[in-house]
Amino acid sequence: QVQLQESGPGLVKPSQTLSLTCTVSGGSISNDSYYWNWVRQPAGRGLEWTGRIYASGITNYNPSLKSRVTISLDTSKNEFSLKLTSVTAADTAIYYCVRGKMDGSGSYMDYWGQGTPVTVSS
Amino acid sequence: VLTQPPSASGTPGQRVTISCSGSSSNIGPSFVFWYQQLPGAAPKLLIYRNNQRPSGVPDRFSGSKSGTSASLAISGLRSEDEAYYYCAAWDDGLSGPAWVFGGGTMLTVL
Repeated sequence: QVQLQESGPGLVKPSQTLSLTCTVSGGSISNDSYYWNWVRQPAGRGLEWTGRIYASGITNYNPSLKSRVTISLDTSKNEFSLKLTSVTAADTAIYYCVRGKMDGSGSYMDYWGQGTPVTVSS
Repeated sequence: VLTQPPSASGTPGQRVTISCSGSSSNIGPSFVFWYQQLPGAAPKLLIYRNNQRPSGVPDRFSGSKSGTSASLAISGLRSEDEAYYYCAAWDDGLSGPAWVFGGGTMLTVL
């Protein structure tokens, strides 16, 4: 069974860049039946999709974050990463990495990492 | 983007439904998915493609969709069902395509 594990700094200063990595085990991120997402959840609030990357390297981002987000793959390490620039307190959240599964009927997000909390504060 | 009631409740053994309202750019043309988030845990896929259950999800959980709305039903309510429930759909709106979620419904088992 696939497992996803987020890692990265838990504290980022305002205006700096948030950088997180998701390590995937139990499956290859190069498998083109899947894509790889980041979803965040501010404390006590709902879920917000940040973006995704396909095995081909093609990306889609949430329009509300598009100008600040970059998602990339490192196939040699079976990892994918999130970079969010110019962060503010509004970016404080638990960040989850999530697998997206594709088949003949479309796609959906199935397996989630445990999440990593990130606080933006000076 | 998707609208859910903030809370729902029921007693053990009861049947509870949670609604999710969307629009012609998301639920209308797309499948609906439901996620369960137990306290302190990551979300878990509960229902996919409107009414399909992943392996291991009890048949007490069921989903349906009609037009631009969807519902999650839980029958034979149990204390361990107390959690947040989120609906999700792909949105092809004018601002750009994205996965969108409901605000979440906190289910309390009385």
